[in-house]
Amino acid sequence: QVQLQESGPGLVKPSQTLSLTCTVSGGSISSGSYYWSWIRQPAGKGLEWIGRIYTSGSTNYNPSLKSRVTISVDTSKNQFSLKLSSVTAADTAVYYCARVSWYYFDYWGQGTLVTVSS
Amino acid sequence: DIQLTQSPSFLSASVGDRVTITCRASQGISSYLAWYQQKPGKAPKLLIYAASTLQSGVPSRFSGSGSGTEFTLTISSLQPEDFATYYCQQLNSYGFTFGPGTKVDIK
Repeated sequence: QVQLQESGPGLVKPSQTLSLTCTVSGGSISSGSYYWSWIRQPAGKGLEWIGRIYTSGSTNYNPSLKSRVTISVDTSKNQFSLKLSSVTAADTAVYYCARVSWYYFDYWGQGTLVTVSS
Repeated sequence: DIQLTQSPSFLSASVGDRVTITCRASQGISSYLAWYQQKPGKAPKLLIYAASTLQSGVPSRFSGSGSGTEFTLTISSLQPEDFATYYCQQLNSYGFTFGPGTKVDIK
């Protein structure tokens, strides 16, 4: 059973860079034809896709966030990571990592709340 | 960019009711649509993919149908654990998009 776990600071100052890591267990991140993705959800609001990465390093990003987002993968650690630069209060949200199977998300992490505040 | 809308945005129902949620795409997306259930404080859970294929372990009271631009999620007999928010989702050339959600509440 694949499991995903997000980790990283819960508080980030405005204008700084948000950094999160997703650790995959129960299987190799490199096995199968899967992308790995980040999704976020502001409190009381809907889901917003941030981007995805293949284990080859190939990435796709949400056009609305593309200029500030970098997703990377470390297959040796079975992890992938998110960096979001120049954050503002609007980036405060629960951030989820998820596995992409074909075109849908079949496994999700539990989510981690990141608050942007000074 | 393809947009998804859901109706209703809020639904009040009783245990045992048949519930139908509609998701509409601004352009045809064939059957490339998924449905998720999200409970407060929890990650979304995949219910249905390819518009009508039930994810393993999901109760058979959930069903999906549709293709092109109009899709439905049906719960045949609402159970207490089904009170949650439901989202549809699709993938297009710009990336993944989710519908705005439908909250199913207890009447």
